[in-house]
Amino acid sequence: SQQGEEDPQALSIQEGENATMNCSYKTSINNLQWYRQNSGRGLVHLILIRSNEREKHSGRLRVTLDTSKKSSSLLITASRAADTASYFCATDDGGGSEKLVFGKGTKLTVNP
Amino acid sequence: EAQVTQNPRYLITVTGKKLTVTCSQNMNHEYMSWYRQDPGLGLRQIYYSMNVEVTDKGDVPEGYKVSRKEKRNFPLILESPSPNQTSLYFCASSLWGGAETQYFGPGTRLLVL
Repeated sequence: SQQGEEDPQALSIQEGENATMNCSYKTSINNLQWYRQNSGRGLVHLILIRSNEREKHSGRLRVTLDTSKKSSSLLITASRAADTASYFCATDDGGGSEKLVFGKGTKLTVNP
Repeated sequence: EAQVTQNPRYLITVTGKKLTVTCSQNMNHEYMSWYRQDPGLGLRQIYYSMNVEVTDKGDVPEGYKVSRKEKRNFPLILESPSPNQTSLYFCASSLWGGAETQYFGPGTRLLVL
């Protein structure tokens, strides 16, 4: 099945810096979502971008979607230690099934 | 409070002993699903349900069963657990489908000896 693939697998930055994570997927989609997971806990929804949108903002988060390249990026600006978590992208298959497929995630560490 | 609950949160069992992990949501959501999370593999969908009595396989359904007799509940059944089903399990729900915002439960950590 198709799967979003996040890049990089791990990212370590200093507080105040920006963090950028990328997601690539294989087939057409309706929406792409980003989630955050703090160590071993439940996932929390961050942002959903629809296939006809190119960019979306939510607070310090900025998500872009390029359907021609089948890729998305998540930018966290002015990062904080509390942003330390794993970030996952998730895609539907755009073809009518209601499956949701997650990538393997990017582990972000923000050092104080 | 709107939430998805799972029970138990932690479970240690032995190979072959049937078990059920319960999942309940209080948001009147149509769509519910189960995932397993393993190191290096991310989350993989086991089963999902669009509505009462409607269930479909995800990417890793082997060894699992589900039922949706009531809208709010979606239990995951392991009829004969094996050690390769040791994992962290998450239940999630959404208003109507997989392409919409998912609300996750806190997870159930299962160890099969």
